[in-house]
Amino acid sequence: NAGVTQTPKFQVLKTGQSMTLQCAQDMNHEYMSWYRQDPGMGLRLIHYSVGAGITDQGEVPNGYNVSRSTTEDFPLRLLSAAPSQTSVYFCASSAPGGRGYTFGSGTRLTVV
Amino acid sequence: AQSVTQPDIHITVSEGASLELRCNYSYGATPYLFWYVQSPGQGLQLLLKYFSGDTLVQGIKGFEAEFKRSQSSFNLRKPSVHWSDAAEYFCAVGLTGGGNKLTFGTGTQLKVEL
Repeated sequence: NAGVTQTPKFQVLKTGQSMTLQCAQDMNHEYMSWYRQDPGMGLRLIHYSVGAGITDQGEVPNGYNVSRSTTEDFPLRLLSAAPSQTSVYFCASSAPGGRGYTFGSGTRLTVV
Repeated sequence: AQSVTQPDIHITVSEGASLELRCNYSYGATPYLFWYVQSPGQGLQLLLKYFSGDTLVQGIKGFEAEFKRSQSSFNLRKPSVHWSDAAEYFCAVGLTGGGNKLTFGTGTQLKVEL
Protein backbone atom coordinates (compact mmCIF):
# COMPACT_ATOMS: atom_id res chain seq x y z
CA ASN A 1 0.00 0.00 0.00
CA ALA A 2 1.24 3.46 -0.85
CA GLY A 3 -0.88 5.09 1.89
CA VAL A 4 -1.26 8.83 1.35
CA THR A 5 0.64 10.27 -1.61
CA GLN A 6 1.25 13.99 -2.00
CA THR A 7 2.65 15.77 -5.02
CA PRO A 8 4.70 17.81 -5.56
CA LYS A 9 7.16 17.55 -2.65
CA PHE A 10 8.53 21.04 -3.22
CA GLN A 11 7.12 24.06 -5.02
CA VAL A 12 8.05 27.69 -5.43
CA LEU A 13 5.34 30.11 -6.56
CA LYS A 14 5.27 33.77 -7.32
CA THR A 15 2.73 35.94 -5.55
CA GLY A 16 -0.58 35.79 -7.38
CA GLN A 17 0.00 32.47 -9.08
CA SER A 18 -2.39 29.58 -8.59
CA MET A 19 -1.65 25.94 -8.16
CA THR A 20 -3.10 22.64 -6.98
CA LEU A 21 -1.54 20.38 -4.41
CA GLN A 22 -2.44 16.79 -5.12
CA CYS A 23 -3.37 14.17 -2.54
CA ALA A 24 -4.36 10.56 -3.12
CA GLN A 25 -4.96 7.67 -0.75
CA ASP A 26 -5.41 4.00 -1.49
CA MET A 27 -6.86 2.85 1.83
CA ASN A 28 -10.50 3.52 0.95
CA HIS A 29 -10.71 6.04 3.80
CA GLU A 30 -13.84 8.17 3.94
CA TYR A 31 -12.26 11.09 5.78
CA MET A 32 -9.54 13.30 4.34
CA SER A 33 -8.01 16.53 5.58
CA TRP A 34 -5.50 19.20 4.70
CA TYR A 35 -3.27 20.77 7.34
CA ARG A 36 -0.59 23.40 7.19
CA GLN A 37 2.42 23.35 9.48
CA ASP A 38 4.19 26.52 10.51
CA PRO A 39 7.03 26.86 13.03
CA GLY A 40 5.80 27.16 16.59
CA MET A 41 2.15 26.72 15.59
CA GLY A 42 1.78 22.99 15.18
CA LEU A 43 -0.59 21.81 12.47
CA ARG A 44 -3.72 23.72 11.64
CA LEU A 45 -6.70 22.33 9.76
CA ILE A 46 -7.45 24.01 6.41
CA HIS A 47 -10.30 21.93 4.96
CA TYR A 48 -11.65 18.47 5.47
CA SER A 49 -14.01 16.00 3.84
CA VAL A 50 -16.17 13.23 5.25
CA GLY A 51 -16.81 11.61 1.89
CA ALA A 52 -17.02 12.14 -1.84
CA GLY A 53 -18.89 15.33 -2.60
CA ILE A 54 -18.77 16.61 0.99
CA THR A 55 -16.25 19.19 2.19
CA ASP A 56 -16.11 21.73 4.98
CA GLN A 57 -13.84 24.43 6.32
CA GLY A 58 -11.34 24.03 9.07
CA GLU A 59 -9.53 26.58 11.17
CA VAL A 60 -7.65 28.44 8.41
CA PRO A 61 -9.59 28.07 5.12
CA ASN A 62 -9.08 31.51 3.57
CA GLY A 63 -7.24 31.44 0.26
CA TYR A 64 -7.78 27.73 -0.30
CA ASN A 65 -10.38 25.65 -2.12
CA VAL A 66 -11.01 21.92 -2.09
CA SER A 67 -13.23 19.42 -3.83
CA ARG A 68 -13.77 15.70 -3.37
CA SER A 69 -15.05 14.03 -6.52
CA THR A 70 -13.73 10.58 -5.62
CA THR A 71 -12.95 8.74 -2.41
CA GLU A 72 -9.29 8.54 -3.35
CA ASP A 73 -8.44 12.14 -4.24
CA PHE A 74 -8.59 15.40 -2.31
CA PRO A 75 -6.77 18.24 -4.11
CA LEU A 76 -6.07 21.58 -2.44
CA ARG A 77 -6.16 24.67 -4.66
CA LEU A 78 -4.41 27.94 -3.94
CA LEU A 79 -6.33 30.55 -5.88
CA SER A 80 -3.88 33.46 -5.71
CA ALA A 81 -0.76 32.61 -3.75
CA ALA A 82 0.44 34.99 -1.05
CA PRO A 83 3.69 34.94 0.96
CA SER A 84 1.62 34.11 4.06
CA GLN A 85 0.86 30.76 2.45
CA THR A 86 4.49 29.74 2.61
CA SER A 87 4.26 26.59 4.69
CA VAL A 88 4.45 22.82 4.72
CA TYR A 89 1.18 21.23 3.71
CA PHE A 90 0.07 17.81 4.86
CA CYS A 91 -2.76 15.70 3.56
CA ALA A 92 -4.19 12.98 5.78
CA SER A 93 -6.86 10.31 5.62
CA SER A 94 -8.81 8.32 8.18
CA ALA A 95 -11.51 5.76 8.52
CA PRO A 96 -14.53 6.86 10.58
CA GLY A 97 -14.52 6.23 14.31
CA GLY A 98 -11.61 8.39 15.42
CA ARG A 99 -8.92 5.88 14.57
CA GLY A 100 -6.35 8.52 13.85
CA TYR A 101 -5.17 9.95 10.59
CA THR A 102 -2.51 8.62 8.26
CA PHE A 103 -0.40 11.48 6.93
CA GLY A 104 1.35 12.03 3.65
CA SER A 105 4.97 13.14 3.53
CA GLY A 106 4.09 16.77 2.88
CA THR A 107 4.53 19.51 0.29
CA ARG A 108 6.91 22.34 1.09
CA LEU A 109 5.56 25.49 -0.56
CA THR A 110 7.39 28.78 -0.83
CA VAL A 111 5.63 31.87 -2.16
CA VAL A 112 7.94 34.69 -3.21
CA ALA B 1 -13.58 24.68 21.22
CA GLN B 2 -11.02 22.05 21.98
CA SER B 3 -7.38 22.96 22.56
CA VAL B 4 -4.10 21.21 23.27
CA THR B 5 -1.15 22.55 25.24
CA GLN B 6 2.34 21.17 25.10
CA PRO B 7 4.19 23.30 27.64
CA ASP B 8 7.70 22.19 26.69
CA ILE B 9 8.98 23.55 23.38
CA HIS B 10 12.37 21.84 23.65
CA ILE B 11 13.55 18.94 25.81
CA THR B 12 17.04 17.46 25.95
CA VAL B 13 17.72 14.06 27.50
CA SER B 14 20.69 11.75 27.58
CA GLU B 15 20.53 8.47 25.73
CA GLY B 16 19.28 5.77 28.09
CA ALA B 17 17.46 8.22 30.34
CA SER B 18 13.71 8.18 30.83
CA LEU B 19 11.45 10.62 29.01
CA GLU B 20 8.14 12.27 29.74
CA LEU B 21 6.51 14.73 27.34
CA ARG B 22 3.58 16.68 28.70
CA CYS B 23 0.23 17.25 27.05
CA ASN B 24 -2.85 18.95 28.46
CA TYR B 25 -6.12 19.24 26.60
CA SER B 26 -9.36 21.12 26.85
CA TYR B 27 -12.46 19.40 25.56
CA GLY B 28 -16.05 19.17 26.68
CA ALA B 29 -16.30 15.41 26.60
CA THR B 30 -14.00 12.43 26.66
CA PRO B 31 -11.80 13.01 23.67
CA TYR B 32 -9.87 10.83 21.32
CA LEU B 33 -6.19 11.51 22.12
CA PHE B 34 -3.16 10.91 19.96
CA TRP B 35 0.59 11.26 19.95
CA TYR B 36 2.40 11.68 16.64
CA VAL B 37 6.12 11.85 15.91
CA GLN B 38 7.75 13.78 13.08
CA SER B 39 11.33 13.23 11.98
CA PRO B 40 13.01 16.08 10.08
CA GLY B 41 11.58 16.49 6.59
CA GLN B 42 9.07 13.72 7.12
CA GLY B 43 5.36 13.38 7.65
CA LEU B 44 3.71 12.51 10.93
CA GLN B 45 3.68 8.96 12.25
CA LEU B 46 1.10 7.80 14.77
CA LEU B 47 2.73 6.60 18.00
CA LEU B 48 -0.36 5.72 19.99
CA LYS B 49 -3.98 6.63 20.60
CA TYR B 50 -6.56 6.60 23.36
CA PHE B 51 -10.29 6.19 22.84
CA SER B 52 -11.63 4.61 26.01
CA GLY B 53 -10.95 1.84 28.49
CA ASP B 54 -7.54 1.27 29.99
CA THR B 55 -6.00 4.65 30.67
CA LEU B 56 -2.46 3.41 30.04
CA VAL B 57 -1.92 2.81 26.34
CA GLN B 58 1.04 1.23 24.64
CA GLY B 59 2.36 2.40 21.32
CA ILE B 60 5.09 1.73 18.85
CA LYS B 61 8.82 2.17 19.47
CA GLY B 62 8.46 1.48 23.20
CA PHE B 63 6.33 4.54 23.96
CA GLU B 64 3.36 4.63 26.32
CA ALA B 65 0.94 7.32 27.44
CA GLU B 66 -1.42 7.69 30.37
CA PHE B 67 -4.79 9.40 30.19
CA LYS B 68 -5.66 11.24 33.41
CA ARG B 69 -9.13 12.68 33.23
CA SER B 70 -8.82 14.61 36.51
CA GLN B 71 -5.77 16.45 35.19
CA SER B 72 -6.89 16.66 31.54
CA SER B 73 -3.54 15.22 30.63
CA PHE B 74 -2.16 12.64 28.24
CA ASN B 75 1.58 12.51 28.88
CA LEU B 76 3.92 10.46 26.72
CA ARG B 77 6.62 8.35 28.36
CA LYS B 78 9.52 6.11 27.43
CA PRO B 79 11.68 4.30 30.00
CA SER B 80 14.94 4.51 28.03
CA VAL B 81 15.47 6.92 25.17
CA HIS B 82 17.48 5.99 22.08
CA TRP B 83 19.35 8.47 19.89
CA SER B 84 16.92 7.67 17.07
CA ASP B 85 14.05 9.08 19.16
CA ALA B 86 15.25 12.61 18.45
CA ALA B 87 12.32 14.21 16.62
CA GLU B 88 9.36 16.50 17.14
CA TYR B 89 6.39 15.12 19.03
CA PHE B 90 2.83 16.32 18.68
CA CYS B 91 -0.13 15.67 20.93
CA ALA B 92 -3.55 15.93 19.32
CA VAL B 93 -7.19 15.74 20.37
CA GLY B 94 -9.79 14.42 17.98
CA LEU B 95 -13.46 15.16 17.79
CA THR B 96 -15.76 12.19 18.05
CA GLY B 97 -17.70 13.24 14.98
CA GLY B 98 -17.62 15.60 12.03
CA GLY B 99 -14.72 14.08 10.19
CA ASN B 100 -12.59 13.19 13.18
CA LYS B 101 -10.93 16.58 12.99
CA LEU B 102 -7.70 16.85 14.91
CA THR B 103 -6.48 19.79 16.96
CA PHE B 104 -2.73 19.70 17.49
CA GLY B 105 -0.47 21.09 20.14
CA THR B 106 2.48 23.19 19.07
CA GLY B 107 4.91 20.32 19.46
CA THR B 108 7.91 19.38 21.62
CA GLN B 109 11.31 19.10 20.00
CA LEU B 110 13.30 16.27 21.58
CA LYS B 111 17.09 16.27 21.46
CA VAL B 112 19.00 13.20 22.61
CA GLU B 113 22.56 13.61 23.85
CA LEU B 114 24.90 10.70 23.34
